[in-house]
This record gives sequence, structure tokens and C-alpha cells, in this order.
Amino acid sequence: QVQLVESGGGVVQPGRSLRLSCAASGFTFSSYSMHWVRQAPGKGLEWVAVTSYDGGNKFYADSVKGRFTVSRDNSKNTLYLQMNSLRAEDTAVYFCARDQTDNYPFNWLDPWGQGTLVTVSS
Amino acid sequence: DIQMTQSPSSLSASVGDRVTITCRASQNINTFVNWYQQKAGEAPELLIYVATSLQRGVPSRFSGSGSGTDFTLTISSLQPEDLATYYCQQTYGETLTFGGGTKVELK
Repeated sequence: QVQLVESGGGVVQPGRSLRLSCAASGFTFSSYSMHWVRQAPGKGLEWVAVTSYDGGNKFYADSVKGRFTVSRDNSKNTLYLQMNSLRAEDTAVYFCARDQTDNYPFNWLDPWGQGTLVTVSS
Repeated sequence: DIQMTQSPSSLSASVGDRVTITCRASQNINTFVNWYQQKAGEAPELLIYVATSLQRGVPSRFSGSGSGTDFTLTISSLQPEDLATYYCQQTYGETLTFGGGTKVELK
């Protein structure tokens, strides 16, 4: 079945970096756009970034632009989120999710992974 | 960026009640709206896509309507398993945005 499994979360100090991974299985990963969405503790969902099927198109929320980079390795069926210059407000559960299309314009997100928690604290 | 204003932020209803959640976009977004359900401690799940289409496996008591700037998610007869937070999302632009969420509780 279609499955997305995030990893790489943990506790990191402000200003440091962290890389999240999302391992995909059960579908042709290279045919779909992929998203990152986050949720701060007790808060709502915030869309973070998207990459098209081949990495040719990438878009970011203003809150992470210039600090986060989304990428993918289609040979490994894996999505990444490189997070630099982390701030306390980046503390959240980070979900990866599959779009239903390969490129912009984007459609809807289904399925989602279970998420990985990132805590930015000194 | 397109803003999505969702209301109410929370509601309390009884089993069998009809529940309506609304979402207003800051500009015309045609029907590029999706709805998600998130139960406590779980990942979100897709309910409705492109404003009115029911995702496979979702009970028919859920429905979506609207176009342009105003959208609605309706639960025709609330069930105990519908306790959750519901989010709208727009996919009209290059950057996507979610509404603030509506927490549905049982009265």
C-alpha cells in the first residue's frame, strides 16, 4: 500500500541545521509532486514547501524561504527537507504528503505520513 | 499570498446534528479547495477535493460546496467518530495555504 515515513526529527539548537527525510513506497514516486506541511504544538497546519516530480519546480512558504530547501532523490524514492538557520518558531511536527499531480498547478494532498517532530531549543 | 479564513474556530454539536463549516478565500480561487480531517494525534486525511468531490472511502454524510471565494463543508448527521479538527486548503496559487481549522466537539 502507499506509505510515507518521515525521519530525521529531533532537538536542535537555534541557528543550527537539520535534514528531514520522507521514504515513499507503494507507488511510482517519480511521477508525483511532494509537499512538506508542518504543525506547531497545539496549532493548525502550515504548508511549507513543494517539489514537482523531477525537482524542476520548487515553491516555499514565505516563513521558510531562503532557509529551507526541498529536494528529492527519485532513485531512492525519498523526499528531503534541509532546514538551516533554525528558529524556535520552526518547532513543529513535519509531515510529508503526496500531491495527485506531477507538477504545478497542484491538486490535493493524499496520503500523508505520520510526521516527525522537530524541536528547536537551546 | 491567498489567505483562507475559516469559521467557526470551534463548535459543539450533538450526535445527529447537521454541522456546517465555512471557509472564505481572500480572492477568487475557482474551486481549488480541499478539506481535511485531523483526529487527535494523527496525520490529516483528505475528505473533499476540488470543492465538491468526495474522496474514496469517506462517508457520504460529508459534502462540500462553493466556488469563487466562499466554500462550505457539511456533515449531514454528526457521528461520534467525526470528533476532529477540520481544515480547508487552497491550491490555486504556487504557494498553498490552509485555513485556521475548526475543532468539532460533542455536546
